Amino acid sequence: QKEVEQDPGPLSVPEGAIVSLNCTYSNSAFQYFMWYRQYSRKGPELLMYTYSSGNKEDGRFTAQVDKSSKYISLFIRDSQPSDSATYLCAMRGGGADGLTFGKGTHLIIQP
Amino acid sequence: GAGVSQSPSNKVTEKGKDVELRCDPISGHTALYWYRQSLGQGLEFLIYFQGNSAPDKSGLPSDRFSAERTGGSVSTLTIQRTQQEDSAVYLCASTPDRATAGEKLFFGSGTQLSVL
Repeated sequence: QKEVEQDPGPLSVPEGAIVSLNCTYSNSAFQYFMWYRQYSRKGPELLMYTYSSGNKEDGRFTAQVDKSSKYISLFIRDSQPSDSATYLCAMRGGGADGLTFGKGTHLIIQP
Repeated sequence: GAGVSQSPSNKVTEKGKDVELRCDPISGHTALYWYRQSLGQGLEFLIYFQGNSAPDKSGLPSDRFSAERTGGSVSTLTIQRTQQEDSAVYLCASTPDRATAGEKLFFGSGTQLSVL
């Protein structure tokens, strides 16, 4: 079992829909949870950051962490075609210096 | 420059040749990471530099891979005797310091390496 599991998609939804992206993980030492967005031929950019369990909201984006279930989510409200990208979850903890990334979910928002 | 700069953006090489990939981090950032992104795979951690400390090389997949960081700034990732399985996008990222390493990595656009 990989440390971080993420469905690669593609996930295609109509403009305006609510999008739910998820990751599961196995390492209970993870404490920092992030979502990165990556456009084609570009490097990832940080979208949301959460420490430990709980919710965090930023505009149309909400990140949720449930450490008891080892499950994290990213919700996008009122999705736009410009949200079309690959979304990667990332985690860190246990003294490790590097982030552990999921494979990324390819999201397509249809106009 | 304003962001992390990587060169070349694309590199095509023949199996068995050596390649060097360059990363110029954001000025003042003391922490620098190399990651590899293969088709259908997530980002794979390779190596981490923090200031003048010894680098964390735990992610390097074999002894054909090495990296250095000169003067605490520019970094070079070297792959010797390249193999076809080395084909991937190599991404460099920097952060201001280790305390914020868990918060935000600033990535370059990567080098697309193709080994024929």
